[in-house]
Amino acid sequence: DAGITQSPRYKITETGRQVTLMCHQTWSHSYMFWYRQDLGHGLRLIYYSAAADITDKGEVPDGYVVSRSKTENFPLTLESATRSQTSVYFCASSDGGDRSSDTQYFGPGTRLTVL
Amino acid sequence: GNSVTQMEGPVTLSEEAFLTINCTYTATGYPSLFWYVQYPGEGLQLLLKATKADDKGSNKGFEATYRKETTSFHLEKGSVQVSDSAVYFCALKSPGGGADGLTFGKGTHLIIQP
Repeated sequence: DAGITQSPRYKITETGRQVTLMCHQTWSHSYMFWYRQDLGHGLRLIYYSAAADITDKGEVPDGYVVSRSKTENFPLTLESATRSQTSVYFCASSDGGDRSSDTQYFGPGTRLTVL
Repeated sequence: GNSVTQMEGPVTLSEEAFLTINCTYTATGYPSLFWYVQYPGEGLQLLLKATKADDKGSNKGFEATYRKETTSFHLEKGSVQVSDSAVYFCALKSPGGGADGLTFGKGTHLIIQP
């Protein structure tokens, strides 16, 4: 199906391990985003990307790494997972910068638990 | 910086009641404003959007009007249904460009009882 997908949907890992969360969109949107959702905080921006090979930090980037070699993929890597990174992670994409196309569309999320 | 404030709830209403969820924001310039809805176990879905002052966004019986003078974007529905039970997020996007992330409120958990 067309749209934005995330994998895995659920992941349990241990402190110190590397974990990669995948995000794929079929719309050829230029912009892609990673958010984390935590109780009491709403959603907070981790990283974003304006195009392939262009990424930048958001509000809470520490402990995360992103890459974007292809327009449709935007993986998020936790290089050494910590318990504080237990969260639900959402990927989003949007088409453009002007007001008619700046709506962000969200994937179904990945629930990550770090033991 | 940008910020969004909304009631967190839970807000519990009876079916067919009138709903208001307040949302106020702080931002420079004229941001785009959004309401997203999250059903249990799912991602966020766009509910409605407004891009300039006095614009009214509407969808599925929900409405919200962009009030620049009060920096507000309150969500309303005239008669709620059990199926409206979800978490509702107010969000804004700065007018600067497509790479700007959304700034979200903390979400309002709405429970509709039959």
